[in-house]
Amino acid sequence: EAQVVESGGGLVKPGGSLRLSCEASGFNFNLAWMTWVRQAPGKGLEWVGRIKSKGSGGSADYIAPVEDRFTISRDDSKNTVYLQMSSLKTEDTAVYFCTKVRDPGSFSLEYWGQGTLVTVSS
Amino acid sequence: EIVLTQSPGTLSLSPGERATLSCRASQSVRSSYLAWYQQKPGQAPRLLIYGTSNRATGIPDRFSGSGSGTDFTLTISRLEPEDSAVYYCQQCGGSPPDLTFGPGTKVDIK
Repeated sequence: EAQVVESGGGLVKPGGSLRLSCEASGFNFNLAWMTWVRQAPGKGLEWVGRIKSKGSGGSADYIAPVEDRFTISRDDSKNTVYLQMSSLKTEDTAVYFCTKVRDPGSFSLEYWGQGTLVTVSS
Repeated sequence: EIVLTQSPGTLSLSPGERATLSCRASQSVRSSYLAWYQQKPGQAPRLLIYGTSNRATGIPDRFSGSGSGTDFTLTISRLEPEDSAVYYCQQCGGSPPDLTFGPGTKVDIK
C-alpha cells in the first residue's frame, strides 16, 4: 500500500526554523514528483512547492510567499522528501501535507499524508 | 495566477439526491490539469477526479467530473451519508506550474 508519512512539526517562534520530513513507501519514490501543501487552521488548501524526480532534473518550485524562505529537497536513498523552513512567520502556521504527484501530465495529487502541524507563535 | 471560484459555498441535500458542484477559473485551464478532492474533518484530502473526468483508484462511480475551458463540474449522482465533506477543485497551469485550489464547497447531508 502506498503511503507518505510526515514528521517534524511543532511550535516555533517567529523568525525560527524547522525541517519537515516525509517518508514514502509502496511506490517507486525515485520516479515520483513530490509536493507540499499546507492548510491554515479552518482555511482551505495552499500549494507550497514541488520537487521533480532526479530523472526529470530534480528542481524545485515554490509559491511566491515562501520562495526565499523554504527549500524542498529529497534523498532518494531514504525515500524521503524534506521541507526546510526558515524565517518563519505567524502566517506560516498550518498543517503541512506531503503529497505525491500522480503524473506530471495531470499534476493531480495522488497520495496524501495525514499532515504535520506547524505553529509559529511567540 | 489562475484563480478558482467554487459555488455554492455550502450545499445541504438529502441522501439519494444529486449534488452538482461548480468550479470556475479566471482563465482557461487545460482539461488534463483539473482535479477534485474530498476532505472530511480531521482528515487529509483524497483525490477523487483527475484530468477533469477520470476517477481516481477506488472512487465510486457515483462521482463524476466534466467541463472544459473555465467551467468545470463535480457531480455526485446519489448522495450517501459518508459524502459529507468539503470538496476542492485544483488546477495546474503555467511554467513553472502554478498550482492553485478553489476555496471549497461544503456538502452537508441532512
